[in-house]
Amino acid sequence: QVQLVQSGAEVKKPEASVRVSCMASGYTFTGYYMHWVRQAPGQGLEWMGWINPNGGGTNYAQKFQGRVTMTRDTSIRTAYMDLSRLRSDDTAIYYCARDESGGYYGAFDIWGQGTMVTVSS
Amino acid sequence: QSALTQPPSASGSPGQSVTISCTGTSSDIGDYNHVSWYQQHPGKAPKLMIYEVSKRPSGVPDRFSGSKSGNTASLTVSGLQAEDETDYYCSSYAGSNLLLFGGGTKLTVL
Repeated sequence: QVQLVQSGAEVKKPEASVRVSCMASGYTFTGYYMHWVRQAPGQGLEWMGWINPNGGGTNYAQKFQGRVTMTRDTSIRTAYMDLSRLRSDDTAIYYCARDESGGYYGAFDIWGQGTMVTVSS
Repeated sequence: QSALTQPPSASGSPGQSVTISCTGTSSDIGDYNHVSWYQQHPGKAPKLMIYEVSKRPSGVPDRFSGSKSGNTASLTVSGLQAEDETDYYCSSYAGSNLLLFGGGTKLTVL
């Protein structure tokens, strides 16, 4: 079936970096943009950016520019989100989500299960 | 860019209808028909309920409907059921390859 499976929970110290992976199955990986969305504890959803698996083009929310890098490995149908210079307010669940809009317009029909990233000294 | 504006809470009795608003600007909701709505139960990933303002994905009950007027989008849940009680988020394409989410609305079934 169509699904996105993310890597496991992470605990990081301030100023460290984290990589979250998102493996796709059941569909053509390069046919859909992949977005990353995060949710701090008890808070709402926050869009971080997208990657086009077909070619690797990216676009990031201004808030994360300079700290986030989204990449992909088409051979293993996996997208990655790297976030550097972590702060305590980066503690959140990070989701990958497939965009079924035919572009990057934000109709997220398939979501990963989420990866909890905790930043604590 | 600022997040879209949703009321923090909404409520209705079983069987009634409730509408949740999502207000943006002429640069996002007002300019594009790429508004989506998500339902999120506690501890779960969000679920797509409406896309392109008013389209329902397969499997979403027709009790859920979406619309847009000017800079405001709306999600209406008709025939409220107990399982509809949870959080709802709107999103919109905002041009320049960017997306915005609303702050979320907690729907209570009285």
